[in-house]
Amino acid sequence: DAKTTQPPSMDCAEGRAANLPCNHSTISGNEYVYWYRQIHSQGPQYIIHGLKNNETNEMASLIITEDRKSSTLILPHATLRDTAVYYCIVRGGLGDDKIIFGKGTRLHILP
Amino acid sequence: KAGVTQTPRYLIKTRGQQVTLSCSPISGHRSVSWYQQTPGQGLQFLFEYFSETQRNKGNFPGRFSGRQFSNSRSEMNVSTLELGDSALYLCASSLNVLNYGYTFGSGTRLTVV
Repeated sequence: DAKTTQPPSMDCAEGRAANLPCNHSTISGNEYVYWYRQIHSQGPQYIIHGLKNNETNEMASLIITEDRKSSTLILPHATLRDTAVYYCIVRGGLGDDKIIFGKGTRLHILP
Repeated sequence: KAGVTQTPRYLIKTRGQQVTLSCSPISGHRSVSWYQQTPGQGLQFLFEYFSETQRNKGNFPGRFSGRQFSNSRSEMNVSTLELGDSALYLCASSLNVLNYGYTFGSGTRLTVV
């Protein structure tokens, strides 16, 4: 079973920030939070990951709560090309556990 | 640099046959993982290899197997194909298994008839 819970779908207006939540209330101390997205009929694309500090790269920002039980992926200026299914995954830092994708959040960017 | 390459892109097989899918990781990547994606079950983890050793295995029957070669290229095999094995099979590679993101290939679409 997936270790994360995400809303099945969300809408966001083009040009606005898209904030995608993820609940991982059973996360353990050595587990990282990863985000991927999958645009229709393509392989998933890695976006960002983090342990406990907030992270930012050219694609997105990852905000992890202090208790690490939830996180938010932020796409600062959503475009139509950001329409995709977004997956939040929790995995141990040693990579010795299975990689489990949940159902993800289908993000619709509205023009 | 070249991405993750999966061959073939499309495949049609008959029930009972076997199939071998190939994955060439990004140069320098030593970890390769495989996934099955279907509309009903979503993305499901099959197995992961690092330095020719299987590190993890998902909940699939023994008909699904894989291996990794010394050059990090990987193959997965499905024997005695069933209609339910029709799916998109995705391969992903990473530098290693320690907190790195995975780069996915475009997948092999297998249809079993």
